[in-house]
Amino acid sequence: GQQLNQSPQSMFIQEGEDVSMNCTSSSIFNTWLWYKQDPGEGPVLLIALYKAGELTSNGRLTAQFGITRKDSFLNISASIPSDVGIYFCACAGNNRKLIWGLGTSLAVNP
Amino acid sequence: DARVTQTPRDKVTEMGQEVTMRCQPILGHNTVFWYRQTMMQGLELLAYFRNRAPLDDSGMPKDRFSAEMPDATLATLKIQPSEPRDSAVYFCASGLSTEITDTQYFGPGTRLTVL
Repeated sequence: GQQLNQSPQSMFIQEGEDVSMNCTSSSIFNTWLWYKQDPGEGPVLLIALYKAGELTSNGRLTAQFGITRKDSFLNISASIPSDVGIYFCACAGNNRKLIWGLGTSLAVNP
Repeated sequence: DARVTQTPRDKVTEMGQEVTMRCQPILGHNTVFWYRQTMMQGLELLAYFRNRAPLDDSGMPKDRFSAEMPDATLATLKIQPSEPRDSAVYFCASGLSTEITDTQYFGPGTRLTVL
């Protein structure tokens, strides 16, 4: 089925570093969402973007909905050990069904 | 702090056995989703209910999988007969349907292993 291209697949960084990951699609979408999944748990919604060009922050997290509606990025500033997990992008088109990326696995070295 | 609950958290069974997974959505939510997560395929939508009515189950193998919502507080996903390829983590999510999108709040998942 249709999927989003999420990159990088994995990252290993030092505590305190900034992180950037992105998600692209060949199709236009109306909603972009960023989720984080901790080991043994379900994904948790971090940021929701509903308007092309929208830039939204949630604490140390910042995400943008690309102006073309085909991409989005998520930035994490000053990473801490609890940022470890898998970050998923997901987006919805006119039928409102979510399509998911395969995730970016983040490891933070204290 | 309202959460989606799922039972069981872990299930190991033998091929051919019936498996039933249960989900209690967050009170007041009107949408329920069932997902399957594997390393290779990521998150795949199996079924989607709104106001207890099934809206989309196109992602679900019809011959062995069935999803129901007997009432607003319970959603079930059943596999009969189970096969080793069904081994995965199954997530239930609930949310509120708006004009823009359907928000989704995930449960902790059921890890299914079929031997």
